[in-house]
Amino acid sequence: NAGVTQTPKFQVLKTGQSMTLQCAQDMNHEYMSWYRQDPGMGLRLIHYSVGAGITDQGEVPNGYNVSRSTTEDFPLRLLSAAPSQTSVYFCASSPGQGNYEQYFGPGTRLTVT
Amino acid sequence: AQRVTQPEKLLSVFKGAPVELKCNYSYSGSPELFWYVQYSRQRLQLLLRHISRESIKGFTADLNKGETSFHLKKPFAQEEDSAMYYCALSGRDSNYQLIWGAGTKLIIKP
Repeated sequence: NAGVTQTPKFQVLKTGQSMTLQCAQDMNHEYMSWYRQDPGMGLRLIHYSVGAGITDQGEVPNGYNVSRSTTEDFPLRLLSAAPSQTSVYFCASSPGQGNYEQYFGPGTRLTVT
Repeated sequence: AQRVTQPEKLLSVFKGAPVELKCNYSYSGSPELFWYVQYSRQRLQLLLRHISRESIKGFTADLNKGETSFHLKKPFAQEEDSAMYYCALSGRDSNYQLIWGAGTKLIIKP
């Protein structure tokens, strides 16, 4: 049982490039979320999903897209990277059905130059 | 408005001293409150949730609905407690997504 996995661990992009951050969970959790973590700002929700085929925007969705075609996977796409997207990105999942404890992946450290 | 406030960005105490990390919240309904911890170079993990009312690693937290607080306490700090601590809440009004405080960095001095 791997829990929540994320790839890559580190990434450097040039401004304007696009890429996809991968997230997968093997716990059959309904809920999945993407956060960014910036110094002094805690965790901010980018997008989330309450089940396969259902996604919604969080607090800071601009510049990011998500999809949830399966229960296991929840990729985050950066459409055109900007230096303001330099951050650490965490994916999380939770069972739902009254249990909203979140389980986190190890994070992806992204630098946009 | 739904909000979680952790007033201290940094808290530094000596080993063996008591620790209290403050958390205040604003929420119209009945939220569920959590404390998460992030040790250096590790992923975030759940430390406590108010509904379980248990003590983990010597930490306790009591939900005070009158003061809308959920402070995290430990009577005797240990060096391995040094970490980032985040308070968060979840509820129907947030579609059960977690609303996070900005975090408090706890440093335990030897």
